[in-house]
Amino acid sequence: DAGVIQSPRHEVTEMGQEVTLRCKPISGHDYLFWYRQTMMRGLELLIYFNNNVPIDDSGMPEDRFSAKMPNASFSTLKIQPSEPRDSAVYFCASNWGGVGTEAFFGQGTRLTVV
Amino acid sequence: AQSVTQLGSHVSVSEGALVLLRCNYSSSVPPYLFWYVQYPNQGLQLLLKYTTGATLVKGINGFEAEFKKSETSFHLTKPSAHMSDAAEYFCAVSKSGGSNYKLTFGKGTLLTVNP
Repeated sequence: DAGVIQSPRHEVTEMGQEVTLRCKPISGHDYLFWYRQTMMRGLELLIYFNNNVPIDDSGMPEDRFSAKMPNASFSTLKIQPSEPRDSAVYFCASNWGGVGTEAFFGQGTRLTVV
Repeated sequence: AQSVTQLGSHVSVSEGALVLLRCNYSSSVPPYLFWYVQYPNQGLQLLLKYTTGATLVKGINGFEAEFKKSETSFHLTKPSAHMSDAAEYFCAVSKSGGSNYKLTFGKGTLLTVNP
C-alpha cells in the first residue's frame, strides 16, 4: 500500500478564497483523522470519521471549516473563506481502529493564506 | 480526558551521547502510549508503542521507552545519538477500551544532535 496520500503538498491562496485539501486513507482502515499542526498550538485533532461517518468534530475551529468523507477511500477538508490564521500544516491519518492501533500519517499539506 | 506533557520543547545532545526525551501522561483509564518522529517536511512516523504487557518497549532506530504507571511516564531513550536522529519527537496517548481510538499528542520535543 502507498500509505495515506494527501494532496496538494503545498497550497498558497489568497485570503477569502476557498481551499480544499484531499486525503486518501490506507485501504481497509475504518478511521480517518484530520489534524492541524502549528508552532503555537502543536498538533490538534480537528475531526475524525469512523466508517465514513463523522464521530467527533469538536476540534473544528469554526464554521468556515468543513470535512466530508463520501466513501471509504476519500476525504476532504474545506476552508471557506480562508484567513491568514489558517496557515498551517494539515495532516490526514488513518487506522483500522483495533485495540492499541497507531495512526498512519500522510505527508501533510502546507497551507499558506496570504 | 487524556493528555500528554512533554518536558522540554528543545533538547540538544552531542553525537554518541544518551538521548532522553520526557513524556508524562494523564488518563483516567489505562492508556495506550506512542512515540512518533517527524523529520523536516515529512509526516509523523511511529517509533514505538505501549499497549499491554512488557513495560519496556523497543522501537525502530534503536529507541526504547519504558511505561511507568507509578510515575505516569513514558520517557524515550536511545543510548547513543546519531546525527540522523535530529528531528521532532511527539508523545501521544489514546484511551484503552471503548471505541475511542483518537490520539492526543504532546507539543513535541525538537532534538538537535551536535557533531
